[in-house]
Amino acid sequence: QSALTQPASVSGSPGQSITISCTGTRSEVGGYNYVSWYQQHPGKAPKLMIYDVSKRPSGVSNRFSGSKSGNTASLTISGLQAEDEADYYCSSYTSSSTYVFGTGTKVTVL
Amino acid sequence: QVQLQESGPGLVKPSETLSLTCTVSGYSISSGYYWGWIRQPPGKGLEWIGNIYQSGSTYYNPSLKSRVTVSVDTSKNQVSLKLSPVTAADTAVYHCAGGVDMAVDYWGQGTLVTVSS
Repeated sequence: QSALTQPASVSGSPGQSITISCTGTRSEVGGYNYVSWYQQHPGKAPKLMIYDVSKRPSGVSNRFSGSKSGNTASLTISGLQAEDEADYYCSSYTSSSTYVFGTGTKVTVL
Repeated sequence: QVQLQESGPGLVKPSETLSLTCTVSGYSISSGYYWGWIRQPPGKGLEWIGNIYQSGSTYYNPSLKSRVTVSVDTSKNQVSLKLSPVTAADTAVYHCAGGVDMAVDYWGQGTLVTVSS
């Protein structure tokens, strides 16, 4: 299984909104509503930010939202803050009952 | 509060077996959820290794399937990973993981395993 495709980097100024894309195929992203997103700060374990495409775990800011269209899922961060600077990974369930991660996106707050 | 802590050798020789244990606290692994492992080579992205479910069913990354085993010891509330034989390409931070449904809700801090002679 190949990694899902994400842009290597996305940047924005404080207060702005940014969107990270996650592109796969019908065998994973397009075939199931089981896309999740993780935030990882340097040297730390990843943290679940979005699951089931658009659901937020308790305690995650509502500035984070998820969506999906066809084979591409997206994570939007609105009201960008300095603390949002991190790496972000998408993940999807697959038709083989396995999981696959995205290539990762580095978010920079200018 | 569910907490996961990985343990095991930080250095493994090529062609040998990588063995890691994850001790789960705050939750009985026999009560449900799924458990598994995810790794991250230095400076690179996340790679899913495999999961084990309450039923005992296991699912593995196709690229690792022939070399990997994930198991649980409910008496010790532990999840284990075995990968054999290893090469330098298996050098990574290995994270223990757990989840309710289709996402990873719980992560261990990770343990760096270096494969080198």
